[in-house]
Parts: sequence; structure tokens; C-alpha cells
Amino acid sequence: AQKVTQAQTEISVVEKEDVTLDCVYETRDTTYYLFWYKQPPSGELVFLIRRNSFDEQNEISGRYSWNFQKSTSSFNFTITASQVVDSAVYFCALSGISSGSARQLTFGSGTQLTVLP
Amino acid sequence: SAVISQKPSRDICQRGTSLTIQCQVDSQVTMMFWYRQQPGQSLTLIATANQGSEATYESGFVIDKFPISRPNLTFSTLTVSNMSPEDSSIYLCSVVDWDSVTLYEQYFGPGTRLTVT
Repeated sequence: AQKVTQAQTEISVVEKEDVTLDCVYETRDTTYYLFWYKQPPSGELVFLIRRNSFDEQNEISGRYSWNFQKSTSSFNFTITASQVVDSAVYFCALSGISSGSARQLTFGSGTQLTVLP
Repeated sequence: SAVISQKPSRDICQRGTSLTIQCQVDSQVTMMFWYRQQPGQSLTLIATANQGSEATYESGFVIDKFPISRPNLTFSTLTVSNMSPEDSSIYLCSVVDWDSVTLYEQYFGPGTRLTVT
């Protein structure tokens, strides 16, 4: 069974602060993908990143960075110099690969990030 | 990346009626899924839409309540039958687009906001 835990239900920061969203996962698959999605108030899910379980290199994209640590089964997401437009619900998700086929995504419960001006 | 559209974008329905939601993708995709997001909650997989055969339902979801069709590789429908207020949710179509054996992207449609009165 797959499980994704986002322990932080809500986070509130002031603009320009850095913020880290935590994600811990469980899976029996040796190959899997981890994802982060952003859901702004409009409701649409925006794909942010996909990480392969074989690639533990951290990734940076502009103000966003991701820290994947297989040893602790964590895939944390940091926003540097947060902006009001970053306010959204952020979901971490996991998909295992079995027999060459992707399993469906298992989502965490989401973290509501509010960035105050 | 695949572009996904859903119809309708939102609807208000009376209890006891049924609503069919359409999902159209601009390219052929390997896998299509239907998710439900109840108010303030995370996403839950309803079923995998299989092309040319019956959908594969997750625990807690049944075909009589959520019949699904997928006549080809670019289109699927989800029907919410005999609706009750508890069915008020956002329903999202999702597709997996295989680039290669080791790469895949999963994208979501804009969602259908359903309110049952």
C-alpha cells in the first residue's frame, strides 16, 4: 500500500519569508515517482515537479527547490522569498511502478499555504 | 504536455438526478483516471478508465454509482448517478502521458465543480 503524509495542515508566512512544506511517503515499490502539485483558489491542479526514485539529486527551479531523501522517505518542498501569489494548497503525491506500469497517484492531505503581504 | 478539457466546468443539480462529465484530451494517452475532491479534502481516486473495457474501481466506489466510459484513447466520461448532497465535489480527470519507459507525466483537467441540492 502507498501512503503520503503531509503533517502541516496550514502554514502562514509573511511575504519574502522562506517556507518549507514537508512530505513523507511509504511504498513497497522499489521504483516510484514523487510529485508536487499546486492548487490555487481557482481549483485547477498545477503540476510542479516529478522526481524519479532513482534520482536523489535536489532540484531547483527559480524560487522553488525540492529535497528528496530516500533514507528518510521524505520529499520536501521549499519556496524561497515567498510571494502572495504562492498562496495555495500544495499536494504531495506518490505513484509506484509495478511491472512497468504506473500505479495511480496517492495524494497527501495537502498543506494550505497563506502568504501575507 | 497533454491538454485536458472537461465539460461542464460546474453544475448545480437536484438530488436523485444524474450528471455526465466529459473529459477530452488533445492527444492519445496511455491511462486516464477519475478523481474526486470533496470540499476541503484531498484527491481520492475513483477509478481507472480502461479503453474498450470496464473501468477499474477503487474501494468504496461502484460502477452503478459512477459508470465510466472510455471509447478511445482521447475521451472518457464519468456519470454521477442518483446524486445526493454528499456527491458535491470537484471531479477531476487525469491522464498519464508516457514519454518512455522511465518517464511519465500525469496531468489534470480543470475539474468539474458539482453541487447537489
